[in-house]
Amino acid sequence: EPEVTQTPSHQVTQMGQEVILRCVPISNHLYFYWYRQILGQKVEFLVSFYNNEISEKSEIFDDQFSVERPDGSNFTLKIRSTKLEDSAMYFCASTLQGAVNQPQHFGDGTRLSIL
Amino acid sequence: AQTVTQSQPEMSVQEAETVTLSCTYDTSESDYYLFWYKQPPSRQMILVIRQEAYKQQNATENRFSVNFQKAAKSFSLKISDSQLGDAAMYFCAFQPRDDKIIFGKGTRLHILP
Repeated sequence: EPEVTQTPSHQVTQMGQEVILRCVPISNHLYFYWYRQILGQKVEFLVSFYNNEISEKSEIFDDQFSVERPDGSNFTLKIRSTKLEDSAMYFCASTLQGAVNQPQHFGDGTRLSIL
Repeated sequence: AQTVTQSQPEMSVQEAETVTLSCTYDTSESDYYLFWYKQPPSRQMILVIRQEAYKQQNATENRFSVNFQKAAKSFSLKISDSQLGDAAMYFCAFQPRDDKIIFGKGTRLHILP
């Protein structure tokens, strides 16, 4: 069964540094998402992306965050100047359609640790 | 605001017994999906079961079944014949038509041998 893949599985970065988290969605999927889970807390929506632009973003997704689909396969989340509170598990998800009749498929996540 | 509430932060069940995890949600939407996700210590998000709001029949997947009460906005998960591998964090989640998933805070399930 096709999978959403995320790299790296664990990223350790110094505070203030830029970090890029990578995701390869399922090949025929059109809608892409990033979610975040701070340790011990619930999973929170960050951003959705369709047709090369952001469809929706949460209040968490401030100017430090950006997303991009640089080629036909990768979907990236960039944090420009990381803060300690950015330490979390970041999940990428994709779906074939944006409507309710298609489930989102999650990757295994990238654990981001900010030192 | 659309919310998902899991009132049980932790639960324990004896191996081979049955356990029910509770979930309620709040929405004015009439068409949506509900999910239960399992998150083991590896922190992957594994879809356990999915329910379409327009379907009255409760979803089942092997030992996992749900009790979906649309009028009460309740969506509980029943795990039958609990196994040690079922130990994990379980998240109830809701997906309205604007397509982002809203998660509850989770219930940590312990399986006692």
